[in-house]
Amino acid sequence: ILNVEQSPQSLHVQEGDSTNFTCSFPSSNFYALHWYRWETAKSPKALFVMTLNGDEKKKGRISATLNTKEGYSYLYIKGSQPEDSATYLCAFKNNAGNMLTFGGGTRLMVKP
Amino acid sequence: EAGVAQSPRYKIIEKRQSVAFWCNPISGHATLYWYQQILGQGPKLLIQFQNNGVVDDSQLPKDRFSAERLKGVDSTLKIQPAKLEDSAVYLCASSLVPQAKNIQYFGAGTRLSVL
Repeated sequence: ILNVEQSPQSLHVQEGDSTNFTCSFPSSNFYALHWYRWETAKSPKALFVMTLNGDEKKKGRISATLNTKEGYSYLYIKGSQPEDSATYLCAFKNNAGNMLTFGGGTRLMVKP
Repeated sequence: EAGVAQSPRYKIIEKRQSVAFWCNPISGHATLYWYQQILGQGPKLLIQFQNNGVVDDSQLPKDRFSAERLKGVDSTLKIQPAKLEDSAVYLCASSLVPQAKNIQYFGAGTRLSVL
């Protein structure tokens, strides 16, 4: 069983604050790392798929970095807005097997 | 494009009853996944189909869970009989190809409560 950990479990920030959270995964046999955003009562939506050590991805105010050698990825949100409130999930796949293993998620709440 | 459709959105049953969930993936997506998400945990893959064949069902509790994708399009997931610990959100997802570098498109899920 692969261990994918996300921290913190939950986070409350004020509108305008910048924030970041972490996804930790096994550093051996890396294949891909996904980030998803899951808003309440909606479907999870993909943010990024990262495959190379040192990858940096950006979509608007959200960006992510990847370090496969040490087994972590950071997700950053610049100038948080209330609509950023959601659970952010990372999912990891190694070279063996077919499945993505998800972390437990970070629940972000942005107060206006 | 139309997204992944799931029904019902909510279901409340008593333990030992049976329940079925339905999923219609995005048109043309060969790979279909069923996940179970228990409160406070990340989604756990139950079964992965490639067209109408099973690729991975290693985490499916086969004594009570079954799933099928007969024509390689729609899929149903059944629990018979349900236990209290089956209370969860059941997510269906699809992707164009099975490689993990391709994103998965999720439905809104079915929230199951077993009383």
